[in-house]
Order: sequence, then C-alpha cells, then structure tokens
Amino acid sequence: QKEVEQDPGPLSVPEGAIVSLNCTYSNSAFQYFMWYRQYSRKGPELLMYTYSSGNKEDGRFTAQVDKSSKYISLFIRDSQPSDSATYLCAMSPGAGSYQLTFGKGTKLSVIP
Amino acid sequence: GAVVSQHPSWVICKSGTSVKIECRSLDFQATTMFWYRQFPKQSLMLMATSNEGSKATYEQGVEKDKFLINHASLTLSTLTVTSAHPEDSSFYICSAREQGNQYFGPGTRLTVL
Repeated sequence: QKEVEQDPGPLSVPEGAIVSLNCTYSNSAFQYFMWYRQYSRKGPELLMYTYSSGNKEDGRFTAQVDKSSKYISLFIRDSQPSDSATYLCAMSPGAGSYQLTFGKGTKLSVIP
Repeated sequence: GAVVSQHPSWVICKSGTSVKIECRSLDFQATTMFWYRQFPKQSLMLMATSNEGSKATYEQGVEKDKFLINHASLTLSTLTVTSAHPEDSSFYICSAREQGNQYFGPGTRLTVL
C-alpha cells in the first residue's frame, strides 16, 4: 500500500459546480497536510495548509482533515475554468521533518 | 509571497553530457532546499534534501554520484545531472522552505537524446 493514495482522475465538472478532491494515507505520523495546484508544465503552488484534524476555509476553497479515518479533502465552491489544473495532496510528519509525501494528483477540468 | 526560480526552464542534451539546473530563492533565505523529479502523470518524488554548507541527503535509490547537489549559499542550490541518459529525461522541480511552508520553483524539463 502506498503511503498516500489519490485518484488521478481526470475529473470534469461544469462551471459553478462544487468539486471534491480526496486523499487517503496510511502513515499515522503525518501531522501537516497541504494541497497544491499544478498547472501543466509548471511547479506546484501551495493552496491550503492544515495542521492535524479539522477544517480550514480560504475563499472558495475548504480543506478538511479527518485523522481518525486518515482521509483529507479539498472542496472548491463555484468552480471556474481557471481552476482547471492538477491538484496534489501532500503531507509530512512535521516536528522538524519537512519532507513531503505527495499523492499522484487529480487532474481537474472545469468546463465553461 | 515567497518566490523560487529555476534555470533553465527547458534543456535538451545529448546522452553522456552533464546538465546543471539552478534553483534560487528570490526574496528569502533558504537553509534547506529540496529536489524532486516528476515523470508524466506521476507524483513528485523527492530525490534529495539540500542543506546550505553541508552535504545533501539523498533518498533511497537516488545515485549521489549521478545527481550532484551543491548548496553553496542561502539562496542558491544546484543540481547537476552527470552523464545523462534518456531515462533521466524528466521534470525536475526544486523547493525551498520558508516559515514552515515549501515553495516550489517552476520546474526544469530535461530531455536527453
């Protein structure tokens, strides 16, 4: 079993839809959870950063972490064509270790 | 926000030659930088952790003599792919840590003919 599992998609949604992206993980040591957005042939861009369990909201984006289920989610409300990209989850144990373990990424297309 | 640059953005080289990729933190100092490799439709795989003024720490399976890393200053780390072969063709991305977050460079696409 891989440490981080993420459905690669692709996922196509109409403009304005709510998008749900998810990752599961197996390493209970992970404490820090991140979502990155990566456009084609570009480096990843940090979207959301969450420590431990709970929710965090930033504009149209909401990140959720459920450590008991080892499950994290990213919700995008009122999706826009400009949201079309690959979304990568990443996590680390923290506590001095900043090495990130990434999911494979989910490719999202928002259709106008 | 923190900005990380990479140079070149795209390089094509012949098999057997060496290629150097630069990673710079533009508006902050980074004692630690990371080098990743990403194959098409795959995730980022950490290759090595680059520490300013000391030797890099390589992940299991990454040949340190083939992928030379130098972190000579707080704003610059370089990755040299020595004696490159077609299987080294990939997207190489660096990141730098700033206040607990990692910021990524735009990546360098290496094609070895």
